[in-house]
Amino acid sequence: IVMTQSPASLSVSPGERATLSCRASQSIASNLAWYQQKPGQAPRLLIYGSSTRATGIPARFSGSGFGTEFTLTISSLQSEDFAVYYCLFYKNWPPYIFGQGTKLEI
Amino acid sequence: EVQLLESGGHLVQPGGSLRLSCAASGFTFSDAAMSWVRQAPGKGLEWVSRINDNGVATEYPDSVKGRFTISRDNSENSLFLQMNRLGAEDTAMYFCARIHYDPLTGLNGPFDVWGQGTMVTVA
Repeated sequence: IVMTQSPASLSVSPGERATLSCRASQSIASNLAWYQQKPGQAPRLLIYGSSTRATGIPARFSGSGFGTEFTLTISSLQSEDFAVYYCLFYKNWPPYIFGQGTKLEI
Repeated sequence: EVQLLESGGHLVQPGGSLRLSCAASGFTFSDAAMSWVRQAPGKGLEWVSRINDNGVATEYPDSVKGRFTISRDNSENSLFLQMNRLGAEDTAMYFCARIHYDPLTGLNGPFDVWGQGTMVTVA
């Protein structure tokens, strides 16, 4: 399975909406997570099960999709949201496969 | 507070070995499957090993299979990664990560807790 994220980078103004995509080379049901990573920090889990927000994640982050097409939407971007976002295919047992990342820029 | 703290990363020569450690706190370590994930400088994330809660079952991607060994000591709340025959391609930040467990489904999920990482440089 190959996970492909698009676009590689995205420029959005604060207050606007950002839509990030992740495509799986074959169906992965809803076994998809999204992570946010800021420079010098570890990744932070945002979404799992394609659409379930992790503990403490603001409601402006939402995930959707099933099978091969997935989307992370960030409504009304805040300054702290500018980071690199990764999708991850996971299941009960390995392998775990990350997308190559989307850099969200101001 | 749930926390993971890695250590052991440093500069090593090609062909050398290194052992990374991860100290866990704030949760029942013996109930959690664990993994190591790495990130080469300026690159994306790559999963490199997984171990189940009791340490019996392990898995690796082909890129490290036969060279890396993951292990754990539940009595010490510690996770380890033994890395042998290191090459330049192994240069990366190595993160220790907990695997999420869903009690409703009984299934494991993605990585939900991460350490801050320890840097390994092979040169």
